[in-house]
Amino acid sequence: QVQLQESGPGLVKPSQTLSLICSVSGGSITSGGYYWTWIRQHPGKGLEWIGYIYYGGSTYYNPSLKSRLSISVDASKNQFSLKLSSLTAADTALYYCAGGRQKVVATPFDYWGQGTLVTVSS
Amino acid sequence: QSVLTQPPSVSGAPGQRVTISCTGSSSNIGAGYDLHWYQQLPGTAPKLLIYSNINRPSGVPDRFSGSKSGTSASLAITGLQAEDEADYYCQSYDISLSGVIFGGGTKLTVL
Repeated sequence: QVQLQESGPGLVKPSQTLSLICSVSGGSITSGGYYWTWIRQHPGKGLEWIGYIYYGGSTYYNPSLKSRLSISVDASKNQFSLKLSSLTAADTALYYCAGGRQKVVATPFDYWGQGTLVTVSS
Repeated sequence: QSVLTQPPSVSGAPGQRVTISCTGSSSNIGAGYDLHWYQQLPGTAPKLLIYSNINRPSGVPDRFSGSKSGTSASLAITGLQAEDEADYYCQSYDISLSGVIFGGGTKLTVL
């Protein structure tokens, strides 16, 4: 059973870059054709897809975040990461990492981390 | 405003049947992309409830069922229980937006 765990700073200053890591256990991050995904949820709001990386290395980003976003995989550590630059208060949210097993862009997200709260404030 | 439209809230008494709709368009559900449903209990991460329109992951009770027709989909919950009180989200892919999309979420209240 694949398990995901997010890690990163809980507080980041405006204009800085957010770096989050998702550690994958119970399976290899490079096997199975997974879409390794970041999703966020603003306080009291719905889910917003940030982007994902396919196991072959292709990345797909939310167009509204694309200019500030990078998602990558570190196979040696069985982790994938998110970098989001030029932060503003609007980026304050609960950030989830997730994994989708189907080899299609409309994959469902079978596995979820518990989420990590990121607050952007000076 | 979400590309997939869900009612903000629904409610029902224990034992009743409720449905939650998810309305899209020809660039997502109507384009043939699968529709998935998630349940988010208070303070927890979303959990996959229905995938590929009608399928239940292992462990999900058969009280939950999904359907899809045209540019819309629905989640039905029968035999409503207090523990079903949660937020429910639909999810698909939009070819025009080139990305994954979620519905705005529906809060289910068990009366």
